[in-house]
Amino acid sequence: QQQVKQSPQSLIVQKGGISIINCAYENTAFDYFPWYQQFPGKGPALLIAIRPDVSEKKEGRFTISFNKSAKQFSLHIMDSQPGDSATYFCAASRRGGADGLTFGKGTHLIIQP
Amino acid sequence: EAGVAQSPRYKIIEKRQSVAFWCNPISGHATLYWYQQILGQGPKLLIQFQNNGVVDDSQLPKDRFSAERLKGVDSTLKIQPAKLEDSAVYLCASSLGRTGAAFFGQGTRLTVV
Repeated sequence: QQQVKQSPQSLIVQKGGISIINCAYENTAFDYFPWYQQFPGKGPALLIAIRPDVSEKKEGRFTISFNKSAKQFSLHIMDSQPGDSATYFCAASRRGGADGLTFGKGTHLIIQP
Repeated sequence: EAGVAQSPRYKIIEKRQSVAFWCNPISGHATLYWYQQILGQGPKLLIQFQNNGVVDDSQLPKDRFSAERLKGVDSTLKIQPAKLEDSAVYLCASSLGRTGAAFFGQGTRLTVV
């Protein structure tokens, strides 16, 4: 049972555009939702995270939108740059993140110059 | 602040051989995780430690995988005997356990031939 579904699998965006990646979860016990960025040969790096008591969180060019009733959350990358080209993973956890993470399958993002 | 350290970076073994991976978490992080990342997929939690006790090992194939965290700091993950399907990147992560932010090492890429 895939508990976190991520889409699209791959995404191509022009430089300066907005990249949008979506995730949906099934387990209502999840209460911590981070996004990770992974470059080839590197481990995942935490980008931004949200808890269900807020509907949006912004850090620089990265924004998470959260819809608790729909059990969906998304990552928006504003003014996308070639350096943002990477694989992005959404994840979910219980107990405020103290439990291990359940990851989506990832989105391979390419920003074209 | 030093990150999560893992070794070796790469390992090639024949099927039915044994292999061990080592992880040193960020100083002061009580929680340590081992994840398996198969090519093209998101990381999958294998085991979670809180200090030197196991919190969750429900997805660890216990017939061939074992892990320990002596003295609540470093950890080792062992596979014996290895199968072809164990080829993956093995990621170690650590967190304070309360904030939810998990930080990953660069991983060990295992190839079983």
